[in-house]
Amino acid sequence: EVQLVESGGGLVQPGGSLRLSCSASGFTFSSFSMNWVRQAPGKGLEWVSYISGSSTTRYYADSVKGRFTISRDNAKNSLYLQMNNLRAEDTALYYCVRDSYCGGECFPYYFDSWGQGTLVTVSA
Amino acid sequence: DIQMTQSPSTLSASVGDRVTITCRASQSISSWLAWYQQKPGKAPKLLIYKASNLESGVPSRFSGSGSGTEFTLTISSLQPDDFATYYCQQYNTYETFGQGTKVEVK
Repeated sequence: EVQLVESGGGLVQPGGSLRLSCSASGFTFSSFSMNWVRQAPGKGLEWVSYISGSSTTRYYADSVKGRFTISRDNAKNSLYLQMNNLRAEDTALYYCVRDSYCGGECFPYYFDSWGQGTLVTVSA
Repeated sequence: DIQMTQSPSTLSASVGDRVTITCRASQSISSWLAWYQQKPGKAPKLLIYKASNLESGVPSRFSGSGSGTEFTLTISSLQPDDFATYYCQQYNTYETFGQGTKVEVK
């Protein structure tokens, strides 16, 4: 069974930093591209960032470009999101999300597995 | 950026009803569209990919159609478990979601 478990969320002041982690199990992690998708309280879904299985390709939404960095450690079956210079509008539930298998690097693509999310609150 | 617009934003329906949700793209996305279901406090769940392909394990009462800029998600006979919010997602150019359609009890 595919499992994605996020951690690292919390309350941070504007301008602060936070590092999110996602622990993956139940599948060959290195074979899948991964993403972070966020959802502000009571709002819709927003794709944040993508990383290919080998980490060779990374993409970011314009809203986070230059502030967030996605990375992964395939030996630890883990995905990360380093978030710097956080703003109030970054407040959201952050989901770790797996691309459906496509046999290579297929960006953009659709998502077949989601974690339960970790809440990030940016407030003074 | 490709904008995705869903209609209606809220839909009131009864068990057994046929329900249709529309998703329009601001430019052609071919068939690169997925549909997700989200229940309160839960993560989204994939229902449909490439506009009309049913994800494994999803009940056959769900179906998708369309191409280009206009797409629909249809639930042929609404069940109690189907009251939820539904999102479309384009994956033609980056990935963007519609604003969601909440299906509520009439």
